[in-house]
Amino acid sequence: NAGVMQNPRHLVRRRGQEARLRCSPMKGHSHVYWYRQLPEEGLKFMVYLQKENIIDESGMPKERFSAEFPKEGPSILRIQQVVRGDSAAYFCASSPWTSGRNNEQFFGPGTRLTVL
Amino acid sequence: GDSVTQMEGPVTLSEEAFLTINCTYTATGYPSLFWYVQYPGEGLQLLLKATKADDKGSNKGFEATYRKETTSFHLEKGSVQVSDSAVYFCALSDSQGGSEKLVFGKGTKLTVNP
Repeated sequence: NAGVMQNPRHLVRRRGQEARLRCSPMKGHSHVYWYRQLPEEGLKFMVYLQKENIIDESGMPKERFSAEFPKEGPSILRIQQVVRGDSAAYFCASSPWTSGRNNEQFFGPGTRLTVL
Repeated sequence: GDSVTQMEGPVTLSEEAFLTINCTYTATGYPSLFWYVQYPGEGLQLLLKATKADDKGSNKGFEATYRKETTSFHLEKGSVQVSDSAVYFCALSDSQGGSEKLVFGKGTKLTVNP
């Protein structure tokens, strides 16, 4: 069973360009989380999605950032008009749906975004 | 809001030394607590967890006990190895509003020398 996959692993963009980060959850997982890790910092929650629904976007910046998790295909985190402050590692995690609370989240290897 | 505070690093130890990384939390609900480990260039891996007071999580020689009275979840290992060198993150999740987002501490970098 393949783990959480993210691509690209490294992404370089110039200021003002768009960045698209992809996350394929583990097989059978219907919950996806996106986190951002700034240099020398812990991970900060951005958004929580289930198939075709955004459940919690309380950590998403109000502008330029959006996320989706369509019925088919990977989850996408999209950053429009990138700025240098967007440079960070972006991690995706997935978990299965069960009736219990606090399901384990399985993390992907991350996408390291560098904005020039 | 919820928060996690963990011991500032970096921590440097010799092989076979005893390890403690302190972690305390603030939460409005009744959270579950986690320790994650991140090796260089990789994503996070769950090391251990505890879901209720007095639970002890353990894995690969690491242990942590959920202490509600002191709101703590300190990580310990009796004898560290070079291969334990990594960054360790304490985290909580309290399922508020149906969201099981994780709240992380800033991480503690551990280096174990032979």
